[in-house]
Amino acid sequence: DAGVIQSPRHEVTEMGQEVTLRCKPISGHDYLFWYRQTMMRGLELLIYFNNNVPIDDSGMPEDRFSAKMPNASFSTLKIQPSEPRDSAVYFCASRMTANTGELFFGEGSRLTVL
Amino acid sequence: LAKTTQPISMDSYEGQEVNITCSHNNIATNDYITWYQQFPSQGPRFIIQGYKTKVTNEVASLFIPADRKSSTLSLPRVSLSDTAVYYCLVGPIYNQGGKLIFGQGTELSVKP
Repeated sequence: DAGVIQSPRHEVTEMGQEVTLRCKPISGHDYLFWYRQTMMRGLELLIYFNNNVPIDDSGMPEDRFSAKMPNASFSTLKIQPSEPRDSAVYFCASRMTANTGELFFGEGSRLTVL
Repeated sequence: LAKTTQPISMDSYEGQEVNITCSHNNIATNDYITWYQQFPSQGPRFIIQGYKTKVTNEVASLFIPADRKSSTLSLPRVSLSDTAVYYCLVGPIYNQGGKLIFGQGTELSVKP
């Protein structure tokens, strides 16, 4: 398996622009997580899905952030409008309920908002 | 959710054994303890998981006392490539929920 695939790997944008981050989980995994990592706040859980349904979005910073999972093989995290404080590395991870619960992370999307 | 507390940083030298302890005083009956390793510019990677007593795999050992309020990750004979951030997570696995929260982690620096 190719692992969790995220795109883009790097994005530089200007304040006010819309940003869309994409994630393809490992086939067969039924949980998908979006995390954000910064030096100041560490690794924060933003939202997670189970069987494509959002279960807990309490970590989403504000209404500018939204996440969708239209099918089992694709998820997006959208920021609109983006702000400089959104600059971070965004990780997507997936896991399969039936195994040890191990999280498999993608390589991350590094976002810089100018 | 069980809160975890780890040392922020640790230093070691090549060839030494490193033990990183994590406190989780309010661990629940259904919770497992999982450790992840993160290198710069990469996502965290699973190292080891346990429920009680001792677990060992090819890279580490995990010691969990009977009260389960703490756990210790043991890395035998570390090398420079073990320099990374190590996270302790506590939470249910299998069919019992998915909210997995990372603490601040322990930054391990291995020196020659």
